[in-house]
Amino acid sequence: GQNIDQPTEMTATEGAIVQINCTYQTSGFNGLFWYQQHAGEAPTFLSYNVLDGLEEKGRFSSFLSRSKGYSYLLLKELQMKDSASYLCAVGTNAGKSTFGDGTTLTVKP
Amino acid sequence: NAGVTQTPKFQVLKTGQSMTLQCAQDMNHEYMSWYRQDPGMGLRLIHYSVGAGITDQGEVPNGYNVSRSTTEDFPLRLLSAAPSQTSVYFCASKPSRANEQFFGPGTRLTVL
Repeated sequence: GQNIDQPTEMTATEGAIVQINCTYQTSGFNGLFWYQQHAGEAPTFLSYNVLDGLEEKGRFSSFLSRSKGYSYLLLKELQMKDSASYLCAVGTNAGKSTFGDGTTLTVKP
Repeated sequence: NAGVTQTPKFQVLKTGQSMTLQCAQDMNHEYMSWYRQDPGMGLRLIHYSVGAGITDQGEVPNGYNVSRSTTEDFPLRLLSAAPSQTSVYFCASKPSRANEQFFGPGTRLTVL
């Protein structure tokens, strides 16, 4: 079966750093994705990890440990516009992805 | 490029009615998928396709049909709408050799 866990809600302060964790147990693994979804909008792609380690892209970084079934998304220098849901997803086979329920991040001034 | 387009944006149905949600992409992507998203939850895969003429079931296929007669179009048919199908439906596409999925704007469906 597929099981992806991430916290339901997080709150952080503007300018701070926040880490959103994701653990997974899936049958098949073809990469770990992070998407951002603002309220009422479609998800947009943030990052993809298929090998262990840290991938950095501007203010956002994503880490993967395949042996631990663990990933995190790190957001630095938080801005108000970063308030959104962050979806962790695992790629399985044939281009399919299984999504977690998302973490709603609220950035406060 | 228009990217991934979906119509309609909003729809209200009565229980038992049927309808088709349209999805089209102009990026020549091989892979296309349909997801539903219920309030406070992530995306659940309904059906997907790896190319024209090829479709397969996802996690929650019951009550839905799809077809993929062209690379561009991937319509989702609700056979007999039920209140449990009230949700936001997203269509997505991606190239076969890339990782990023591109999502359409969604269709907000209410079944009374």
